Amino acid sequence: GENVEQHPSTLSVQEGDSAVIKCTYSDSASNYFPWYKQELGKGPQLIIDIRSNVGEKKDQRIAVTLNKTAKHFSLHITETQPEDSAVYFCAAIPSNDYKLSFGAGTTVTVRA
Amino acid sequence: DSGVTQTPKHLITATGQRVTLRCSPRSGDLSVYWYQQSLDQGLQFLIQYYNGEERAKGNILERFSAQQFPDLHSELNLSSLELGDSALYFCASSPTSGVSYEQYFGPGTRLTVT
Repeated sequence: GENVEQHPSTLSVQEGDSAVIKCTYSDSASNYFPWYKQELGKGPQLIIDIRSNVGEKKDQRIAVTLNKTAKHFSLHITETQPEDSAVYFCAAIPSNDYKLSFGAGTTVTVRA
Repeated sequence: DSGVTQTPKHLITATGQRVTLRCSPRSGDLSVYWYQQSLDQGLQFLIQYYNGEERAKGNILERFSAQQFPDLHSELNLSSLELGDSALYFCASSPTSGVSYEQYFGPGTRLTVT
């Protein structure tokens, strides 16, 4: 099955700086890579996703890049704000599957 | 708000007991997924239903079972509960298109087994 590794496990950034979270996956058949944000006491919220036929996708201050050859993908948050503080999860789904395999999560803290 | 609802929000029960968790998917979504989130195992896929039929199974214990009803809501049944079953249980739903994988999560049910 798919194995997703996520780094770092914790990340502390100054407000206004950028944050980068990296994930690697094992199954070359994976073709869908979502990112979720989970705030305390809430369910994971889909914030951005990318499919294997695209190398980069942006949505305002959030961007995701995908390197299929190296089997890794990254989340970039620019101009971080205190409300960006949360746990972020990457995930992957192989093309013949529908179940998400999640990374272990990154706790992001934005210092004011 | 994702549009996925789960009840109850919190559940406290004793070892050996049986509980039922309920999920209503987003309007129009035919697929329902159940996930377990614990500190040591992270987010783990349990089971998926599509339009009333079981489609995929993950690391779901034999003591756990699920079903999806004609109105598309789903229930996860956990029996002979053990302390290690204490976790957050999430339901997610997704659109029906075969090429669309977006899964939208509900707020979860926190299960505490004492």
